[in-house]
Amino acid sequence: AQKVTQAQTEISVVEKEDVTLDCVYETRDTTYYLFWYKQPPSGELVFLIRRNSFDEQNEISGRYSWNFQKSTSSFNFTITASQVVDSAVYFCALRMNYGGSQGNLIFGKGTKLSVKP
Amino acid sequence: DAGVIQSPRHEVTEMGQEVTLRCKPISGHNSLFWYRQTMMRGLELLIYFNNNVPIDDSGMPEDRFSAKMPNASFSTLKIQPSEPRDSAVYFCASSRLSGKGANVLTFGAGSRLTVL
Repeated sequence: AQKVTQAQTEISVVEKEDVTLDCVYETRDTTYYLFWYKQPPSGELVFLIRRNSFDEQNEISGRYSWNFQKSTSSFNFTITASQVVDSAVYFCALRMNYGGSQGNLIFGKGTKLSVKP
Repeated sequence: DAGVIQSPRHEVTEMGQEVTLRCKPISGHNSLFWYRQTMMRGLELLIYFNNNVPIDDSGMPEDRFSAKMPNASFSTLKIQPSEPRDSAVYFCASSRLSGKGANVLTFGAGSRLTVL
């Protein structure tokens, strides 16, 4: 079965702190994609990153970085020097690459991040 | 690019009424997804289409729910009759099946449904 677990339900930090959001996934597939989406208080879902199962290189985009480790089935997301505008719910998601579920995203329950000034 | 367009943004209705939610995907996208978000169950897939053909509708709760995609630029999700437990935010998303950005889902702003 495919599953995404975000164990942290809520995290609260003070502005400028670094924060890491954890994501652990389960799949028997060898080819799959992992995603992070952001849902700000306005409610829309915003795509942040996609990573395929063959690419374990970490990625950095500004204050955002992602650490993909197949050995531990984890795809963690770090925000450096957090800002109030980072306050949102962050979702990790998994997509398989074949079969009847091709294209379907399986989401974790989300982590609500609150950044206080 | 106008993004994925959903209507209505908010709908309040009474139990037993028919509800129709609408979605216009991004032009050139050939996969379309309907998701439902609730506090209890999070984001769950209801149904998705590839090239206007339903591929997986196993997430549709029951026969009261139906979805159609008559052409590449329009889809509907219908609930008849509606019940209070259907209250949720319904998201439509679209993606390309191939090419640059393939399978990255772009979401609409959502339709918030309240059934009294």
